[in-house]
Amino acid sequence: QVQLQESGPGLLKPSETLPLTCTVSDASITSSYWSWIRQPPGKGLEWIGYIYHTGDIKYNPALRGRVTISLDTSKNQISLSLTSVTAADTAVYYCAKFNWGEAFDIGGRGTMVTVSS
Amino acid sequence: QSALTQPASVSGSPGQSITISCTGTSGDVGGHNYVSWYQQHPGKVPKVIIYDVSHRPSGVSNRFSGSKSGNTASLTISGLQAEDEANYYCSSYTSRNLVVFGGGTRVTVL
Repeated sequence: QVQLQESGPGLLKPSETLPLTCTVSDASITSSYWSWIRQPPGKGLEWIGYIYHTGDIKYNPALRGRVTISLDTSKNQISLSLTSVTAADTAVYYCAKFNWGEAFDIGGRGTMVTVSS
Repeated sequence: QSALTQPASVSGSPGQSITISCTGTSGDVGGHNYVSWYQQHPGKVPKVIIYDVSHRPSGVSNRFSGSKSGNTASLTISGLQAEDEANYYCSSYTSRNLVVFGGGTRVTVL
């Protein structure tokens, strides 16, 4: 069972950049696709984007160029950067493992991010 | 891309069967068989219960079944149990290799 651990700053101010990291245990990040998904409090799931080590990267168009997902193979981590955050970016952020075309395996507990002045 | 359309809530009595619909377009649900369903209990992490329209991961009860007709996918829960009370989300890949979720359906066991 692959273990995923999301980590981040917890609290941000509007206009700041959100950095999140997902550390993967018991699997190489070159073995699968990886995705970020978020869920605002009391609301539904929103797909943010995915990445594969070959350079296949896709983002949700709704995030209008604010998002970047990358891999650090030396640390076996997946990173998310979201710029110019607003209160609407307040959510639990999950990382997930998947094989393309299949469902997301959300192996972590997620990390709560609050944007507030 | 627009979210897939799900009913906000569905309810049923123990032992009954209920069906949750997930409506998209020919650019997502109707375009291929990459539709998944997730179950999320309050305060818990979403868990996949159906993938590729109708396949169940190991360990998921066979009371859960999935199907698709045209641009609409469906999740049926048979023999409804109290533990099935949760939120359910569908998702689909799109023709542009993106991913879209449904808005979620709250299932209540009466």
